[in-house]
Amino acid sequence: SQTIHQWPATLVQPVGSPLSLECTVEGTSNPNLYWYRQAAGRGLQLLFYSVGIGQISSEVPQNLSASRPQDRQFILSSKKLLLSDSGFYLCAWDRGFNTEAFFGQGTRLTVV
Amino acid sequence: RKEVEQDPGPFNVPEGATVAFNCTYSNSASQSFFWYRQDCRKEPKLLMSVYSSGNEDGRFTAQLNRASQYISLLIRDSKLSDSATYLCVVNEGGADGLTFGKGTHLIIQP
Repeated sequence: SQTIHQWPATLVQPVGSPLSLECTVEGTSNPNLYWYRQAAGRGLQLLFYSVGIGQISSEVPQNLSASRPQDRQFILSSKKLLLSDSGFYLCAWDRGFNTEAFFGQGTRLTVV
Repeated sequence: RKEVEQDPGPFNVPEGATVAFNCTYSNSASQSFFWYRQDCRKEPKLLMSVYSSGNEDGRFTAQLNRASQYISLLIRDSKLSDSATYLCVVNEGGADGLTFGKGTHLIIQP
């Protein structure tokens, strides 16, 4: 069966510090991968998606970046965090068109 | 921009009652639809897919109305554990991926 792992679960970082969140998927190959952010009391905002290794598309301009160094690994990064980067970050995968998506457990990031 | 709209609620419903909420979508070419459930401070989890013919899973029924571009979720005999936020999701794959509604907050009261 397929599983998705995301870590860390919670993170408190000072403004201006770097960020690296990691997500891995097991039990499938060539998944579509997504990074979402959910701010308090708001809906899910798509940040990045990837349809293959090294292929990253950004939905929202910001100080975050994403990379997919391996087929089932998706990394969200920032060189310098802003207060506004606080939120609940979710990694997800799906097989493509017409398929359901599965989410990691999320990372709750607080920038202080 | 493709949009998925939901009534944010909250819907306050007594235990045992039936509750229904809708979700409208803007892209008439959308092909696949889902309902997800999200508990407070947790990740969204798939509740059910929504097929053209509608589908039922225990107390939950999902239906699709393509002509009016909405999907619905009906919960019968509601339980306290049904309290959550219900997210309407359209998956168009590739560049469009998942489009989420902002969710409907449901509170089942004893």
